[in-house]
Amino acid sequence: DAGVIQSPRHEVTEMGQEVTLRCKPISGHDYLFWYRQTMMRGLELLIYFNNNVPIDDSGMPEDRFSAKMPNASFSTLKIQPSEPRDSAVYFCASSRGVLAKNIQYFGAGTRLSVL
Amino acid sequence: GENVEQHPSTLSVQEGDSAVIKCTYSDSASNYFPWYKQELGKRPQLIIDIRSNVGEKKDQRIAVTLNKTAKHFSLHITETQPEDSAVYFCAASEGSYIPTFGRGTSLIVHP
Repeated sequence: DAGVIQSPRHEVTEMGQEVTLRCKPISGHDYLFWYRQTMMRGLELLIYFNNNVPIDDSGMPEDRFSAKMPNASFSTLKIQPSEPRDSAVYFCASSRGVLAKNIQYFGAGTRLSVL
Repeated sequence: GENVEQHPSTLSVQEGDSAVIKCTYSDSASNYFPWYKQELGKRPQLIIDIRSNVGEKKDQRIAVTLNKTAKHFSLHITETQPEDSAVYFCAASEGSYIPTFGRGTSLIVHP
């Protein structure tokens, strides 16, 4: 398995533009997570899905952020409109719950810079 | 919900020394405690974990200890090497529930 795949690896955009981050989880994993990592706040859980259904989005900072998981092999995190304070590394992770202890397998991350 | 505190935020040691990172958790129902290592520019990866029915677990130079009564657990790295330099995250969860991560510890091992 290729692991969790994220795209793009780097994104540079201007304030006000829409940004879409993409994630392909490991096949067979039933949980998908979106994290944001910054120096100030560390690793923050934004939202997670179980069997494609959003379970907890309490970490989503505001309405400018939205996430979808239309099927078991694809998820998106969208920021519209983007702001400079959204600059961070965004990680997607997947896991297989229950007996697998929910070990998180992280993607390589998307480094977002909003100018 | 669970709250995980991690200390120190930065740890600097000389090569060959030992390093200890400590975490506390709030939910007494938590029974699974993984540790993740994130090298510079890389993704976090699981390096070791421990369940609450075990007090200590070792894997070569890495060990984790757990004190359920005090609700704290620690990562011990012996004979540190420059390649141990990374950010280490602790986490806690109840069974298969979603883990709560600590803020991370940046470990710097000086040659």
